Amino acid sequence: KAGVTQTPRYLIKTRGQQVTLSCSPISGHRSVSWYQQTPGQGLQFLFEYFSETQRNKGNFPGRFSGRQFSNSRSEMNVSTLELGDSALYLCASSGGQGVTEAFFGQGTRLTVV
Amino acid sequence: LAKTTQPISMDSYEGQEVNITCSHNNIATNDYITWYQQFPSQGPRFIIQGYKTKVTNEVASLFIPADRKSSTLSLPRVSLSDTAVYYCLVGPSPRSNDYKLSFGAGTTVTVRA
Repeated sequence: KAGVTQTPRYLIKTRGQQVTLSCSPISGHRSVSWYQQTPGQGLQFLFEYFSETQRNKGNFPGRFSGRQFSNSRSEMNVSTLELGDSALYLCASSGGQGVTEAFFGQGTRLTVV
Repeated sequence: LAKTTQPISMDSYEGQEVNITCSHNNIATNDYITWYQQFPSQGPRFIIQGYKTKVTNEVASLFIPADRKSSTLSLPRVSLSDTAVYYCLVGPSPRSNDYKLSFGAGTTVTVRA
């Protein structure tokens, strides 16, 4: 069974640009969550999508947005990038039958210069 | 979401048992206690989850007293590869509509030869 796949693994962007990250969850999982991890703030919840609807949202500015497609794949977009957006962005999937845990991908390392 | 408190770091030696205690005084009735492990530049990995008493799997044991205000993760006979950050989380089950993970600072466990 394939795990959670995040693409790309590494990304370098310039301040002011926008970026789109992709996440393919485990087959059968309908919930996809996104997290930002930085040395200073640790792991912080961004948002969660379930059946194409944003079900939960963390405390991030509106520059951070996401969506989920009918096949449960999800994308996260960050507009007007700031230096402080440099982080490891992690996607987690859950919600398959009997699943009680979240499965994380390896993340996308975003560097804003 | 209930706040958790766990030690910042712990040192151990190969073959020893490591016990990490997490305090969660404000745990809600419907909250589960979950532990994740994270290696550098990787996404967290589920270790174990419980609601009350004791849970054991092939990796660890989780002890939860009757008042559920704390929990202890026990890693038997650790090896060098168990060096990682361990997070204690308290919150709704992934089956819940309010599902999101709230990570604290975690405990950095260092296993020495």
